[in-house]
Amino acid sequence: QVQLQQWGAGLLRPSETLSLTCNVSGVSFSGFYWSWIRQPPGKGLEWIGDINHSGNTNYNSSLKSRVTISADTSKNEFSLKVRSVTAADTAVYYCAKGPGWEFDHWGPGNLVTVSS
Amino acid sequence: EIVLTQSPGTLSLSPGQRATLSCRASQSVNSAYLAWYQQRPGQAPRLLIYGASTRATGIPDRFSGSGYGTDFTLTISRLEPEDYAVYYCQQYGSSPRVTFGQGTKVEIK
Repeated sequence: QVQLQQWGAGLLRPSETLSLTCNVSGVSFSGFYWSWIRQPPGKGLEWIGDINHSGNTNYNSSLKSRVTISADTSKNEFSLKVRSVTAADTAVYYCAKGPGWEFDHWGPGNLVTVSS
Repeated sequence: EIVLTQSPGTLSLSPGQRATLSCRASQSVNSAYLAWYQQRPGQAPRLLIYGASTRATGIPDRFSGSGYGTDFTLTISRLEPEDYAVYYCQQYGSSPRVTFGQGTKVEIK
């Protein structure tokens, strides 16, 4: 079955770079888009951006200047970097398969806390 | 930018009752691009409905979706204990590519 496993640092200082990686198994990496979505504590979902196997990316304009999504197709992995983090970037970060037009598989999430 | 507004914010119902959740878009949305998710505490969201009305794999038939244009509805015909959760609608568009509603919490009355 499709599985997404994600990992990365959970505690950052302000101005540091957030870095997360998601490994995909049980499905071909090609032919789909792969997304990062975040959820601040007690709040709703925010789509950050996505990438396909060709390296084509789309970003939410609210974060575009600080975000890079990349992929390593040889490892079936894609990654997220968010530069110059602040407390407002504290959230659970999810990787997800999609959009096809929706997200049909999700990783378990990583809580990233930004604190001095 | 398409904004999705969900109502009510919280729905207090007893097990066995019917739940009706609304998702209203600021502009018309292609029904093929409208999805619903369930999120239980401490878990990742789970896809319930895509294409406005098609149940995802393994989703019980007490969940149904309907609507078109700017008004969409998720209905849970008879609430089970495991249905108490937060529900989000989501649309796929051009700019931004993806937006979510702010969520409706279904709680036990």
